[in-house]
Amino acid sequence: GAGVSQSPSNKVTEKGKDVELRCDPISGHTALYWYRQRLGQGLEFLIYFQGNSAPDKSGLPSDRFSAERTGESVSTLTIQRTQQEDSAVYLCASSLVQQETQYFGPGTRLLVL
Amino acid sequence: LAKTTQPISMDSYEGQEVNITCSHNNIATNDYITWYQQFPSQGPRFIIQGYKTKVTNEVASLFIPADRKSSTLSLPRVSLSDTAVYYCLVGVLTDSWGKLQFGAGTQVVVTP
Repeated sequence: GAGVSQSPSNKVTEKGKDVELRCDPISGHTALYWYRQRLGQGLEFLIYFQGNSAPDKSGLPSDRFSAERTGESVSTLTIQRTQQEDSAVYLCASSLVQQETQYFGPGTRLLVL
Repeated sequence: LAKTTQPISMDSYEGQEVNITCSHNNIATNDYITWYQQFPSQGPRFIIQGYKTKVTNEVASLFIPADRKSSTLSLPRVSLSDTAVYYCLVGVLTDSWGKLQFGAGTQVVVTP
């Protein structure tokens, strides 16, 4: 079916607010990944899911960041009490199984004022 | 995890061949080497993947020497639309929990 989709495509928020970023992976893909990309920089791994489990959360920058996945499908990345340094593009990717080719979504551009 | 090192940037002219070398000295036995391409304001896109020797598809070729401590992505006869960031990725191909790490990437600029 369709590729990986993310919403919203753009988000502007005020410092201190919470935001939720959504990722809809390709149907049937068991692995799902979140990355962050600051302007002009490479991809920074945040977290990945195998099914609904996130076995390694060490890439999350702080305890303000959390993520969940339900039904082995949709995933939500939540950033609490946003800071200006959280401004970035947040990319989601999915793969059929772990370590297979990752297919990326268009990203959510987050701007924290 | 195998760390990768790539040149920060490369410039080329249209029609030339571009070769980007990625170093991954501590690559593990089960690691595969994957290259992604990213255009501005888009997510990365898979280009090619290999384990050893040479792999070729309609977009690029991937050369991997016997020791697998480096790999070279070759883009034949580049065009302006090949201007992008290219990421080398080395992944642990096991059944255990693992993660793939992207390096800083190589910015390729193709000019007329």
